[in-house]
Amino acid sequence: DTGVSQNPRHKITKRGQNVTFRCDPISEHNRLYWYRQTLGQGPEFLTYFQNEAQLEKSRLLSDRFSAERPKGSFSTLEIQRTEQGDSAMYLCASSPGTGVYYTFGSGTRLTVV
Amino acid sequence: AQSVTQLDSHVSVSEGTPVLLRCNYSSSYSPSLFWYVQHPNKGLQLLLKYTSAATLVKGINGFEAEFKKSETSFHLTKPSAHMSDAAEYFCVVSYTGGFKTIFGAGTRLFVKA
Repeated sequence: DTGVSQNPRHKITKRGQNVTFRCDPISEHNRLYWYRQTLGQGPEFLTYFQNEAQLEKSRLLSDRFSAERPKGSFSTLEIQRTEQGDSAMYLCASSPGTGVYYTFGSGTRLTVV
Repeated sequence: AQSVTQLDSHVSVSEGTPVLLRCNYSSSYSPSLFWYVQHPNKGLQLLLKYTSAATLVKGINGFEAEFKKSETSFHLTKPSAHMSDAAEYFCVVSYTGGFKTIFGAGTRLFVKA
């Protein structure tokens, strides 16, 4: 297993377009997390899944953000009608359980122009 | 409420001298504490973790941290800095039964030759 994989690594999009990012966690990890990191800040929690169930989504930044993990394996994060303020690094992490270390992917850097 | 405070936004040391990165946490529960490192344009890598076993935790690349409950601190140290240690370091708290991991704002470590 090569760890947590995120695609694409970079995405440049025009304001108003929709974007979708993919995260493939470590296969035996049942928990998957999405974070957003802006320049000079620590990662900010967005949402998390235990298997296919999305157990917390109140931190998603607006109703333009949505995430899925349909089969409890990979996950997607979609941003609709992108805005310049959405420009950030989007990080995915997985873990085998609560309070256990997370393994992070390398992130997807989104630039909205 | 849980929170993490990294006391220095920037730390600069000379190669071969000791490193101290300070972190204080606030948690109503028994916390799990972590340090992660992030090199430019890379994902986060786990350096070490504390999960209520030994209070002095050894991590990778010669780093270690000491959990001090009375001071609610979890400072990261290394006896001798190397140029490759230059990066952003994040102190992180998670708590038993919770799902959310809280990141500090980060400390950028500069290492001078």
